[in-house]
Amino acid sequence: DIQMTQSPSSVSASVGDRVTITCRATQGIGTYLAWYQQKPGKAPKLLIYDASKLQDGVPSRFRGGGSGTYFTLTITSLQPEDFASYFCQRADSFPLAFGGGTKVELK
Amino acid sequence: VQVVESGGGLVQPGGSLRLSCTGSQFILSEYSVNWVRQAPGKGLEWLSSLSGSRGPTYVADSMKGRFTVSRDSAKNSVYLLMNRLRVEDTAVYFCARDKMGPHDYMDVWGKGTTVTVSS
Repeated sequence: DIQMTQSPSSVSASVGDRVTITCRATQGIGTYLAWYQQKPGKAPKLLIYDASKLQDGVPSRFRGGGSGTYFTLTITSLQPEDFASYFCQRADSFPLAFGGGTKVELK
Repeated sequence: VQVVESGGGLVQPGGSLRLSCTGSQFILSEYSVNWVRQAPGKGLEWLSSLSGSRGPTYVADSMKGRFTVSRDSAKNSVYLLMNRLRVEDTAVYFCARDKMGPHDYMDVWGKGTTVTVSS
């Protein structure tokens, strides 16, 4: 089965910083990848799908990119409400799988 | 538009539990529905997907034989039946609807229901 690996597992940043998270698949998955944001005690929220398409209502400072086995999520200017955990998810075929997550913390 | 999970609680190891996921303001049977869990302090783990329109069901290999999914269209609900529960099944269990389209992106999530397996 294809496994998803995220890095870093955590990142410390300040408001206004540019933050990039990476997600790697053990085999190519095309552009069938999603990114989710999760805040403590809450359900995940879909941010990006098809690797780079913004879900309705998601601010444009969130940008997804990549294809095949390497993907990125970039927050171009970190806002206070962006401190959260982020997960990637393969959606090319079953079994679905999530990356281990990246926690974006306040420096 | 929302989904609401219910049925979580405290259960002894070896016991069973049935979780429900009920859709509101949309017809759940027209969508694929996923179960995802999150153990305390851990990441997200996909468990199963039940396709819409009587399509196929997928269950994570690690859950096969213990977890089954079903749908009751009349109740606009999907269920996750969990048998032979283990301490390591302790987690928040989320139901998530797929975004309409050919791939499994989860655009509507419930708040989750907590399952605690302990003696």
